[in-house]
Amino acid sequence: GDSVTQMEGPVTLSEEAFLTINCTYTATGYPSLFWYVQYPGEGLQLLLKATKADDKGSNKGFEATYRKETTSFHLEKGSVQVSDSAVYFCALSENSGYALNFGKGTSLLVTP
Amino acid sequence: EAQVTQNPRYLITVTGKKLTVTCSQNMNHEYMSWYRQDPGLGLRQIYYSMNVEVTDKGDVPEGYKVSRKEKRNFPLILESPSPNQTSLYFCASSLQPLVNTEAFFGQGTRLTVV
Repeated sequence: GDSVTQMEGPVTLSEEAFLTINCTYTATGYPSLFWYVQYPGEGLQLLLKATKADDKGSNKGFEATYRKETTSFHLEKGSVQVSDSAVYFCALSENSGYALNFGKGTSLLVTP
Repeated sequence: EAQVTQNPRYLITVTGKKLTVTCSQNMNHEYMSWYRQDPGLGLRQIYYSMNVEVTDKGDVPEGYKVSRKEKRNFPLILESPSPNQTSLYFCASSLQPLVNTEAFFGQGTRLTVV
């Protein structure tokens, strides 16, 4: 079945550091890929998405490129801020689109 | 304001006492679903609904029931809660199938079953 694997956390970075969170997926078809972010005490919010191979999703300085050849959708940001501290989830949706398959989440802490 | 509203936000209950967690969305979305979030497991889908009176099981439906009598509401029912249902629960809705659009999530309900 479909699955998403993302790097284990927690990740601790200093402000203005470069961020990469790795995400790889297994799917039988051609899924859409997403990054969701969960700030403390809140529900998940869509950060960015890509619906086909080679698409790049971007939002709030974050980027991820849908790489079909490596089945990856790594999240990057050039300069993180304290306000980026949150849990980040990689997810996919396929076929009927009735479900999101989530990775286990990566906790990011950015220190001043 | 477009939102998904869950109630209650926090609930402590005893084993076997029936409870309902409500979910309501004001965006006229057709698709709604319930997820549970557990440490080290991420989010797993419990049930989903494609429209009024149309529901189906997700990955972890055991011990849960749902109903969709109105488009805006999608309550989650635990007929006889057990401690292994202690978790953080999220309701989500979307206008279209999730391959094409984003899901909007409620703020979560933290349930403890003792």
